[in-house]
Amino acid sequence: DTAVSQTPKYLVTQMGNDKSIKCEQNLGHDTMYWYKQDSKKFLKIMFSYNNKELIINETVPNRFSPKSPDKAHLNLHINSLELGDSAVYFCASSQELAGYNEQFFGPGTRLTVL
Amino acid sequence: EDKVVQSPLSLVVHEGDTVTLNCSYEVTNFRSLLWYKQEKKAPTFLFMLTSSGIEKKSGRLSSILDKKELFSILNITATQTGDSAVYLCAVVSDSNYQLIWGAGTKLIIKP
Repeated sequence: DTAVSQTPKYLVTQMGNDKSIKCEQNLGHDTMYWYKQDSKKFLKIMFSYNNKELIINETVPNRFSPKSPDKAHLNLHINSLELGDSAVYFCASSQELAGYNEQFFGPGTRLTVL
Repeated sequence: EDKVVQSPLSLVVHEGDTVTLNCSYEVTNFRSLLWYKQEKKAPTFLFMLTSSGIEKKSGRLSSILDKKELFSILNITATQTGDSAVYLCAVVSDSNYQLIWGAGTKLIIKP
């Protein structure tokens, strides 16, 4: 049973398109996250979502928007894709707020914008 | 500005060697420090440290936190080729409950 799953695993698209990445966790966790990992392997938090409270990293462009239909899902929508959006996007979840217990990561979605 | 600095950025050793990876941080209202191992895909959790001086151990890996000097070390003894990975350190502040990640240490174990 996969704890945190993401779809798709690979996404190749043209500049200017709108795309979504889905994330689901079956761990019963209260908090979910989206991270971006660039080519230098640096992980950056984009969003965290806990009990319907969204915490946004202020450096994230507003073309990115998380949507949570329920506690087990946190999807990422990206509008007007740009070349610089190419990266691996990781979804993660934790039982409580970050720092109180470990985060479990999904397998990642490699996004390539052409 | 909160930041996490890991050193070295990369390290190549031979199987059987012992390695020490460093993580120093500056963060307001420190909550905890976490170590992760990343091979080809997602990071996997190793340790979470909240108190100074208490060593956490799992097999050949161990880690300790010094909250006065603001750093943590991750030790790996009797290294194996399977230990080759990027080791990531992250710190959480009580201010915003978000992980601030270091750039990672790329560890290569040669047979």
